Amino acid sequence: AQSVTQLDSQVPVFEEAPVELRCNYSSSVSVYLFWYVQYPNQGLQLLLKYLSGSTLVKGINGFEAEFNKSQTSFHLRKPSVHISDTAEYFCAVIPGGSYIPTFGRGTSLIVHP
Amino acid sequence: EAGVTQSPTHLIKTRGQQATLRCSPISGHTSVYWYQQALGLGLQFLLWYDEGEERNRGNFPPRFSGRQFPNYSSELNVNALELEDSALYLCASSPGTQGWGYTFGSGTRLTVV
Repeated sequence: AQSVTQLDSQVPVFEEAPVELRCNYSSSVSVYLFWYVQYPNQGLQLLLKYLSGSTLVKGINGFEAEFNKSQTSFHLRKPSVHISDTAEYFCAVIPGGSYIPTFGRGTSLIVHP
Repeated sequence: EAGVTQSPTHLIKTRGQQATLRCSPISGHTSVYWYQQALGLGLQFLLWYDEGEERNRGNFPPRFSGRQFPNYSSELNVNALELEDSALYLCASSPGTQGWGYTFGSGTRLTVV
């Protein structure tokens, strides 16, 4: 079964600093990869997705992620965070041949002024 | 365009009772997915309905059940409620069977006392 590991449960960072949220998944021949954001008391919103093509994917709100097949990773980055980026971030993977995403446990990004 | 709507927003039930949660997908979306988000556990896949049929089921006991109506809206029923069923229940819809078209609702917060 596919597994998704988000290595950090909480990432504190100061405003305007860069941030990287890590995501690793168990190996599969082909995968589709996603990052979602969840603001308090809301559902999940898609930040970006990798289906094929360029391994560097740009998403909304200035976020980007890089698919690294050899390291089975899909880390999320932002060069300069804002207070409003404080939220829970979820990595998700759909292995080839499946239709259902498997989600990581989430990383809480806390941006301090 | 209306998003995925879930009702009620909050639900408080007593242990042993039944809970019914409702989800209306985005217009044109035929697939509905249910997830349980318990504290610290991330999103756990519950059920997937497409074109009125149950397509897949997560690792949950049979007291978690549901259905999809001809208008593609869906209902999740939880029988014989237990305290550990307390969680945020999220519904998502997609235009087909591919999981990468997910749009999430804001969820129903179920509290079992």
